[in-house]
Amino acid sequence: GQNIDQPTEMTATEGAIVQINCTYQTSGFNGLFWYQQHAGEAPTFLSYNVLDGLEEKGRFSSFLSRSKGYSYLLLKELQMKDSASYLCAVMDSNYQLIWGAGTKLIIKP
Amino acid sequence: GAVVSQHPSRVICKSGTSVKIECRSLDFQATTMFWYRQFPKQSLMLMATSNEGSKATYEQGVEKDKFLINHASLTLSTLTVTSAHPEDSSFYICSASRGEGSSPLHFGNGTRLTVT
Repeated sequence: GQNIDQPTEMTATEGAIVQINCTYQTSGFNGLFWYQQHAGEAPTFLSYNVLDGLEEKGRFSSFLSRSKGYSYLLLKELQMKDSASYLCAVMDSNYQLIWGAGTKLIIKP
Repeated sequence: GAVVSQHPSRVICKSGTSVKIECRSLDFQATTMFWYRQFPKQSLMLMATSNEGSKATYEQGVEKDKFLINHASLTLSTLTVTSAHPEDSSFYICSASRGEGSSPLHFGNGTRLTVT
């Protein structure tokens, strides 16, 4: 079956760096997405990786290793507003999105 | 700015009534839109794929007669929850993609439905 694994919850300190991991097993691969979702709101797009390597976008970076079925989202210079759930999603060979359960990130002052 | 608009953002209705939720792509044509449901502290669950000009494709376990989807134009899809019950109370979110294949989804702001 298809499966996306990411930690349920993580805690980090304001100003620090945090890495959220995502491992996947899917029928084919057409890219991996990271979304941010604040409580009670819809998800917002953060990043898209389809080739191996690191994609940097401001304070956020996303890494992909297709051979390992692994990705991570790296958040630098954490701010209180970064407290949210971070969703990993993989697009399979049928261009269907398979969603992880999300990682709740708690930022402490 | 927002590229997908969803309305209403919150609705409270009585058990047995029907509720319609609208999803509009604001500056692009979306031949395909997606409807999700999210219960508290749970991940998004795809309910159905809405195809312009044809019948929606429902995921297993989703009642197509209860959750009516209409995609009458390239910029509008509607979800109607018919004969709503308290267990239908949830956060409903629509999304659309600008292009084909692996273009990222853009989400509406979601609709918080409470059935009393």
